[in-house]
Amino acid sequence: QSALTQPASVSGSPGQSVTISCTGTSSDVGNYNYVSWYLQRPGKAPKLMIYDVTKRPSGVSTRFSGSKSGNTASLTISGLQADDEADYYCSSYTSSNTLVFGGGTKLTVL
Amino acid sequence: QITLKESGPTLVKPTQTLTLTCTLSGVSVSTRGVGVGWIRQPPGKALEWLAFIYWDDDRRYSPSLKNRLTITKDTSKNQVVLTLTNMDPVDTATYYCAHRQVTIGDLDYWGQGTLVTVSS
Repeated sequence: QSALTQPASVSGSPGQSVTISCTGTSSDVGNYNYVSWYLQRPGKAPKLMIYDVTKRPSGVSTRFSGSKSGNTASLTISGLQADDEADYYCSSYTSSNTLVFGGGTKLTVL
Repeated sequence: QITLKESGPTLVKPTQTLTLTCTLSGVSVSTRGVGVGWIRQPPGKALEWLAFIYWDDDRRYSPSLKNRLTITKDTSKNQVVLTLTNMDPVDTATYYCAHRQVTIGDLDYWGQGTLVTVSS
């Protein structure tokens, strides 16, 4: 299985919205609604932000939202804040019930 | 409150076998729906999933590493153990274990991670 494809970096100004894409195949993202998104700050463990494409765990801000179209999932962060600056990873379960991560996207808040 | 903690060697030599232990508290590894995964991250690089083990002893492995990986659980100690054989410097990474509740989410609780360096 190949890693999911994410842009290496995205940026936005405070208050703006940014969207991070995550492209897979029909063997993972395209055929299963089991896409998750994780935020990771330097030196820390990842934190689950979105699961099952659109669901937010308790305590995660409503500024974070997920969606999917075909083989591409997306994470949108609205009302960008300085504290959102981090690395973001997508993941998807596959037809073999294995897990694959994306290559990660560095979000910079300008 | 669910917590996970990884333990194991910080330094291994090439060709050696790495054994890492994940100790859980606040949830039992034998509770229906519970899964524990191992994920690693080389310095400055992306996350890489390694393996899962579920409450019913179902096991899943990364296709690229399955010949070198073994995941087991010890229900009496509430631990999950990962072994990775034939270690190489490219296996240098922070190794994380994480909890998954199959029916209601994904990897929602993570350990702090443990850095394993492969060097002679």
